[in-house]
Amino acid sequence: NAGVTQTPKFRVLKTGQSMTLLCAQDMNHEYMYWYRQDPGMGLRLIHYSVGEGTTAKGEVPDGYNVSRLKKQNFLLGLESAAPSQTSVYFCASSNPTGTYNEQFFGPGTRLTVL
Amino acid sequence: AQSVTQLDSHVSVSEGTPVLLRCNYSSSYSPSLFWYVQHPNKGLQLLLKYTSAATLVKGINGFEAEFKKSETSFHLTKPSAHMSDAAEYFCVVRWTDKLIFGTGTRLQVFP
Repeated sequence: NAGVTQTPKFRVLKTGQSMTLLCAQDMNHEYMYWYRQDPGMGLRLIHYSVGEGTTAKGEVPDGYNVSRLKKQNFLLGLESAAPSQTSVYFCASSNPTGTYNEQFFGPGTRLTVL
Repeated sequence: AQSVTQLDSHVSVSEGTPVLLRCNYSSSYSPSLFWYVQHPNKGLQLLLKYTSAATLVKGINGFEAEFKKSETSFHLTKPSAHMSDAAEYFCVVRWTDKLIFGTGTRLQVFP
């Protein structure tokens, strides 16, 4: 199993450009998440999905959109990139079993917006 | 709402000495708590989790954490640090279907 994979690993954008980050998981997990990590701020939840065709806003959703057309994929879109969106983006997936919800993380995408 | 506070942004230890990374939580009910580790330029890996089964939780690589309700703490410890422990550590609390992350503690290990 590859686990959680993210494409691309690195990307540089100019202000105003658009792009899509792809997250894929092969563990048949129901839940998927997108986070951003900034220095000194830990990980903050952007959007998440509790199943195919459903999405919800997290803590910092502004400027991002997501889609979950297939259970194994979760896409994060930036329609008009801004320098404030320079960050490392992590995708995670989990199954809501038992009393905890262990999330498995991808390796991250480092995005720079100039 | 739930939250966690990591009391130290940086901790430095010598190899072979004990490690203590401090975390306090705020929760209106019995929480699920986790410690994750992130090695440089890597994703996050689960170290250990507390789900009310036992207050002392053992994790991977010799780490353990003790849940203390009276102190609202969930500190991470290891008896003897190794160079490979150098990383960033996140204390995390579960809230509904989401995880709330602390701001992280960077652990440096000196030879």
